[in-house]
Amino acid sequence: EAGVVQSPRYKIIEKKQPVAFWCNPISGHNTLYWYRQNLGQGPELLIRYENEEAVDDSQLPKDRFSAERLKGVDSTLKIQPAELGDSAVYLCASSVASGMVNEQFFGPGTRLTVL
Amino acid sequence: KQEVTQIPAALSVPEGENLVLNCSFTDSAIYNLQWFRQDPGKGLTSLLLIQSSQREQTSGRLNASLDKSSGRSTLYIAASQPGDSATYLCAVPRGGNNDMRFGAGTRLTVKP
Repeated sequence: EAGVVQSPRYKIIEKKQPVAFWCNPISGHNTLYWYRQNLGQGPELLIRYENEEAVDDSQLPKDRFSAERLKGVDSTLKIQPAELGDSAVYLCASSVASGMVNEQFFGPGTRLTVL
Repeated sequence: KQEVTQIPAALSVPEGENLVLNCSFTDSAIYNLQWFRQDPGKGLTSLLLIQSSQREQTSGRLNASLDKSSGRSTLYIAASQPGDSATYLCAVPRGGNNDMRFGAGTRLTVKP
């Protein structure tokens, strides 16, 4: 069974440029998460989708970040314009919520460097 | 607000030692706790998930315990190997949501 797929793996851009990350969750997983991980820290949630609906985007900086999950499968996270402080690893995860148990599976992440 | 703390931040041991990684959380009303492994430059690999009704889970040389009342979990690694070198993170659900609150991790180095 294929795991969570993310692309690109690495991205280097100049500040003020736009950037987009793509995620394909595990087949059949209805819940999709985008996390940001800064160096030496644990991941922090940006947005969570249940199927195609964003049910928790309270920690997404909406002035420059946007996300979509068309058809409830693949998802794209966009930053426009990027700032120096956006340099981090962006992780996508998916899960099948089973009652209160929610085991999450992560992709390899996209390492973003903003110069 | 759920806060997760992992101690120690870094640990270096010789090969063959048994070791314990600690995780504490402030809100004991959790449904489960998950331990992950992260290799440098890679994503997170799920190691063990303990449901709130369980006290421990085992997978090979790994054993994770959960004490909800005290807000603590431990990950026990038996007979450590150099291949165990990685960062180990614990995570618990944030409030009533399904997303996870992570600790900063313990960076483990096992020396041959």
